[in-house]
Amino acid sequence: QVQLVQSGSELRKPGASVKVSCKASGYTFMSYAMNWVRQAPGQGLEWMGWINPNTGNPTYAQGFTGRFVFSLDTSVDTAYLQISGLKAEDTAVYYCARSPLVRGVIVDWGQGTLVTVSS
Amino acid sequence: DIQMTQSPSSLSASVGDRVTISCRASQTVGTYLNWYQQKPGKAPMLLIYAASGLQSGVPSRFSGSGSGTDFTLTISSLQPEDFATYFCQRTSSTPFTFGPGTTVDIK
Repeated sequence: QVQLVQSGSELRKPGASVKVSCKASGYTFMSYAMNWVRQAPGQGLEWMGWINPNTGNPTYAQGFTGRFVFSLDTSVDTAYLQISGLKAEDTAVYYCARSPLVRGVIVDWGQGTLVTVSS
Repeated sequence: DIQMTQSPSSLSASVGDRVTISCRASQTVGTYLNWYQQKPGKAPMLLIYAASGLQSGVPSRFSGSGSGTDFTLTISSLQPEDFATYFCQRTSSTPFTFGPGTTVDIK
């Protein structure tokens, strides 16, 4: 069955960086885009963007440019989200989620990774 | 960017009730509209895709309708496991914006 397994919770100080991983299995990695979605505590879902595994080309939503980087290692079917210059307001659960390449509907989600930014 | 709104933001209902949740887009999104359910502490789950398509494995009491700018998610007979938050999402073009969510709790 399809699984997206994310790395564990992270605690960072303001200004630091963090890299979240998302290991995919149970499907052909190159056939689906990987989305990233943020959910701040008690808040709704924010679509951060997605990355096409065939081209490696990322698309970032407004508000997620500059400090946020999506990447892939197709040799191990893993997607990554790196956030630099962390701020307290980056504290959130970050989800990876796969969608068909030509449609953005999210068909499967990772379990989420809590990133806490605190001094 | 196209903005998404949902109404109501929350509602209280009883088991067996018929529940309708609305989602509105600021510009037409055709039928590129999806619905997700999220329970506390869990990842969301796809219920409805392309406005009215029932995702495999989702109970038939869930249905979606609409096109253009106005969409509805209907739960025909609310079950105990349906108490959750529901989000719409447009996927007509990037960014694939989510609605703010509707929380369904027990009356």
